[in-house]
Amino acid sequence: NAGVTQTPKFQVLKTGQSMTLQCAQDMNHNSMYWYRQDPGMGLRLIYYSASEGTTDKGEVPNGYNVSRLNKREFSLRLESAAPSQTSVYFCASTGWDGYTFGSGTRLTVV
Amino acid sequence: AQSVTQPDIHITVSEGASLELRCNYSYGATPYLFWYVQSPGQGLQLLLKYFSGDTLVQGIKGFEAEFKRSQSSFNLRKPSVHWSDAAEYFCALDRGSTLGRLYFGRGTQLTVWP
Repeated sequence: NAGVTQTPKFQVLKTGQSMTLQCAQDMNHNSMYWYRQDPGMGLRLIYYSASEGTTDKGEVPNGYNVSRLNKREFSLRLESAAPSQTSVYFCASTGWDGYTFGSGTRLTVV
Repeated sequence: AQSVTQPDIHITVSEGASLELRCNYSYGATPYLFWYVQSPGQGLQLLLKYFSGDTLVQGIKGFEAEFKRSQSSFNLRKPSVHWSDAAEYFCALDRGSTLGRLYFGRGTQLTVWP
């Protein structure tokens, strides 16, 4: 089925560990996004990529890095996880047909 | 700058009652506006969107929203709420012209009493 696929769905990290959240879309969309969702805060943009080969910071980029590997894939990396990065992470893409969100990654940093 | 405000953090209604969730935005031009719903532990589902044209927009699950430029509002309504409507609702804005990033409100949690 066409859409945005995120992996993993759940992850527990210890403080200081690193990990990469993967996102892939098969709708040939140019733009891709990483959001984080925290209670009472809505969704806040971490990073986005308007097209293959470009990335830009959003509202809350500190502690994260991204890679737009190709048109399909946009990964989010936590180099040294902190408890403040405990959150639900959503990947999204946009094209002529609108926005599509992934199902989310629930990350807990202990 | 642009922003979205959802003034109500939590709303409780009885099943069968009418519902209105408020959304106000701040933006210098006419934005694209969206309402999303999120059930516990789930992703975001698009209820409806406004790009241009008719200011009353119909969505899925019996929801509608009205864009009021003079009030910078895009309130979500449903005539009769069902228990399955209990969820969190997010209003979001795109700056328009071409689809780009979304700016989200903080959400309104809806509880439905039987």
